[in-house]
Amino acid sequence: QVQLVQSGAEVKKPGASVKVSCKASGYTFTGYYMHWVRQAPGQGLEWMGWINANTGGTNYAQKFQGRVTMTRDTSISTVYMELSRLNSDDTAVFYCARSLLQSLGSRFDYWGQGTLVTVSS
Amino acid sequence: DIVMTQSPDSLAVSLGERATINCKSSQSVLYSSNNKNYLGWYQQKPGQPPKLLIYWASTRESGVPDRFSGSGSGTDFTLTISSLQAEDVAVYYCQQYFGTPYTFGQGTKLEIK
Repeated sequence: QVQLVQSGAEVKKPGASVKVSCKASGYTFTGYYMHWVRQAPGQGLEWMGWINANTGGTNYAQKFQGRVTMTRDTSISTVYMELSRLNSDDTAVFYCARSLLQSLGSRFDYWGQGTLVTVSS
Repeated sequence: DIVMTQSPDSLAVSLGERATINCKSSQSVLYSSNNKNYLGWYQQKPGQPPKLLIYWASTRESGVPDRFSGSGSGTDFTLTISSLQAEDVAVYYCQQYFGTPYTFGQGTKLEIK
């Protein structure tokens, strides 16, 4: 069965960076994009970008350009999202979610359990 | 960016009654070459990740009860729950995956009246 298992909660100080992992299993890792979605406490869903798990190519939302880096390690079917220069507004749950690799977009059919990142001095 | 606007922001419906949530996109998410609407609906319960309910605006995801249905095309879409059950209490989001940045509606909180 498809599973996306994310790393555990993090507490970071303002200005620091955080790196969250998402380990995939139960499907062909390189056949999908992996997206990252942010959800601030009590707020809605915000798409941050995707990584093509096959090529490693990325597409970031303009809001996060220059601060986010998505990478993958195909040998262990894991993707990573690193967010730098953290501030209190980055306190949120971060989700990974997969979508099928195709020329246009596709639905997010499986999601990770979420990783809470708290930014506090 | 394509802006997704849901209405209402919150909704209270009696058990067994119909619930209807609307979603409007700022531009069409219908791709004319394949006649598909790049629109999905998700359900999120407290403390859980979102769950895909509907894709291509009207295709039910495997395992989703048939009381959930989606309709609409172009810029106007609707999620309908035909007979509300207690376990349907959640926040519902629409999302366009027509073009990046993929954007979500602000969410509609569904409660029991």
